[in-house]
Amino acid sequence: GAVVSQHPSWVICKSGTSVKIECRSLDFQATTMFWYRQFPKQSLMLMATSNEGSKATYEQGVEKDKFLINHASLTLSTLTVTSAHPEDSSFYICSARPGLGDGELFFGEGSRLTVL
Amino acid sequence: SQQGEEDPQALSIQEGENATMNCSYKTSINNLQWYRQNSGRGLVHLILIRSNEREKHSGRLRVTLDTSKKSSSLLITASRAADTASYFCATTWGGGSEKLVFGKGTKLTVNP
Repeated sequence: GAVVSQHPSWVICKSGTSVKIECRSLDFQATTMFWYRQFPKQSLMLMATSNEGSKATYEQGVEKDKFLINHASLTLSTLTVTSAHPEDSSFYICSARPGLGDGELFFGEGSRLTVL
Repeated sequence: SQQGEEDPQALSIQEGENATMNCSYKTSINNLQWYRQNSGRGLVHLILIRSNEREKHSGRLRVTLDTSKKSSSLLITASRAADTASYFCATTWGGGSEKLVFGKGTKLTVNP
């Protein structure tokens, strides 16, 4: 199956700093990638759809200026949590699928962010 | 919201038993997918069933879909300790949306 790599797998930072998380499709091109957030023992909440070469589409209630998404190439999308605060601590997961359509998504292993 | 609702929220069974998880959703869908997540890891796709399908099998997995009741079930037969994980249903729907919206999940524990 297709492989999605996410980095870093965990990060600890101080309040007020920015953190960048990378999501790469290793063996396929992805014009669209999806970023999810997951709180402990809860479901995945879709944050935004990352579109290669254009602006991301954010879900209602997600702050665009807080969560900056850049999809600069067909294999890389980045999520930057700006001026992170403890309430931003969470598990962030990216996903993508080869080609178009509504088939299965391939997920990265997730990035656990802890903001002190 | 399209978000599915799984039940039960948690299920504990003995190895060898069957596990059944249910999912309900709110509006029409294109397809419904089931995923598995081990603790602290990413998700792995298990099976996809389209809105015009009623049942699908994959190994020890059996998925049913009842669009009239807006519900689906995932059956894992002859469970193993390694099946211990959280299981989520997710839906896509019309309008060209490629987004997957996830339900709340069922935490399955299979005791050896």
